[in-house]
Amino acid sequence: GNSVTQMEGPVTLSEEAFLTINCTYTATGYPSLFWYVQYPGEGLQLLLKATKADDKGSNKGFEATYRKETTSFHLEKGSVQVSDSAVYFCALRAPRGANSKLTFGKGITLSVRP
Amino acid sequence: KAGVTQTPRYLIKTRGQQVTLSCSPISGHRSVSWYQQTPGQGLQFLFEYFSETQRNKGNFPGRFSGRQFSNSRSEMNVSTLELGDSALYLCASSLATGFNGELFFGEGSRLTVL
Repeated sequence: GNSVTQMEGPVTLSEEAFLTINCTYTATGYPSLFWYVQYPGEGLQLLLKATKADDKGSNKGFEATYRKETTSFHLEKGSVQVSDSAVYFCALRAPRGANSKLTFGKGITLSVRP
Repeated sequence: KAGVTQTPRYLIKTRGQQVTLSCSPISGHRSVSWYQQTPGQGLQFLFEYFSETQRNKGNFPGRFSGRQFSNSRSEMNVSTLELGDSALYLCASSLATGFNGELFFGEGSRLTVL
């Protein structure tokens, strides 16, 4: 079945540091890939997405590139801020089927210190 | 426009009781999905409804059920509550179902079972 694997956390960085959060997936065909963010006490917000191979999703300084050859969708940001502290989830949606089910990774907690 | 609204936000129940959670999707959205979030299992798909029909169901026991009304509002019910049902239950809505339906999440209903 479909699955998403995220790197183990938590991650603690200093402000303005470079961020990479690894995400790899297993799926048949070409799934859509997503990064969601969850701030304390809130629901999930879509951060960025990519729907086909080599697409780059970007938002709020975050980027991720859909790499079919390595089945990866790593999240990067050049300079993190304290306000980026949150839990980050990688997710996929299968390319076939008439439904919107997302398969999520375990999530990783990012803490950014001033 | 208003986002996804979930009620109640917090509730405490005892083992054996039942609970009903409500979700009002974004106006115009016809698809509603439910997810369970726990520290151990992460985010797991419960079910999805579109136009009052269940489109997909996750691997949960029959104690978990849901429905969708003609105005797209949805409810989920958990009967005979167990301690392990303690979780954050997230509702997400989208315009349509299927591959390109972007999901918008509510803030969740946090259920504690004692």
